[in-house]
Amino acid sequence: GESVGLHLPTLSVQEGDNSIINCAYSNSASDYFIWYKQESGKGPQFIIDIRSNMDKRQGQRVTVLLNKTVKHLSLQIAATQPGDSAVYFCAEENQAGTALIFGKGTTLSVSS
Amino acid sequence: ETGVTQTPRHLVMGMTNKKSLKCEQHLGHNAMYWYKQSAKKPLELMFVYSLEERVENNSVPSRFSPECPNSSHLFLHLHTLQPEDSALYLCASSQDPRRSGYTFGSGTRLTVV
Repeated sequence: GESVGLHLPTLSVQEGDNSIINCAYSNSASDYFIWYKQESGKGPQFIIDIRSNMDKRQGQRVTVLLNKTVKHLSLQIAATQPGDSAVYFCAEENQAGTALIFGKGTTLSVSS
Repeated sequence: ETGVTQTPRHLVMGMTNKKSLKCEQHLGHNAMYWYKQSAKKPLELMFVYSLEERVENNSVPSRFSPECPNSSHLFLHLHTLQPEDSALYLCASSQDPRRSGYTFGSGTRLTVV
């Protein structure tokens, strides 16, 4: 079946370090991938997206890398801050192209 | 506030009750979605509406009944739920069902007793 998975359920880093969160996806036909951040008590919040015709896209302190050969997606956060502590989800299009499907999430904990 | 508002924020209901969850968006989006988020599980897609028509029902039990009266409002009607239906129910909207990011509401935390 369709699935989007993440390699690690938790990641702990020190403030100021760079964080890398990984995701393996299954739909090789997906044209679109997104990373979301979910803080406690809130809904998921859009961070950054990337289309399949790109390998890399940068935002403010975040970079998404797409490796279509091995169906791997990663989110890099530079100079991680305590406010970055949250659950991070990757998402991709479902087979029908009607909606997004999400991975299980990685909980990022940032200590000062 | 994200532009997608869900009410109520919390709901406790008995297994014989009937209740409804409400979602409202004023972003001018054309598609709306219901997702279920249970502890330690990925977000599960439940329903997709595009231009007020249901385009996906992801094998959801009939005790969950969606309604989309217009492009700004989405409801999830609940009846005779089970304790395992307790979860966070998230509504989202997007400009297009494909290739655009979703804006999520804060969710309704549902507890079935």
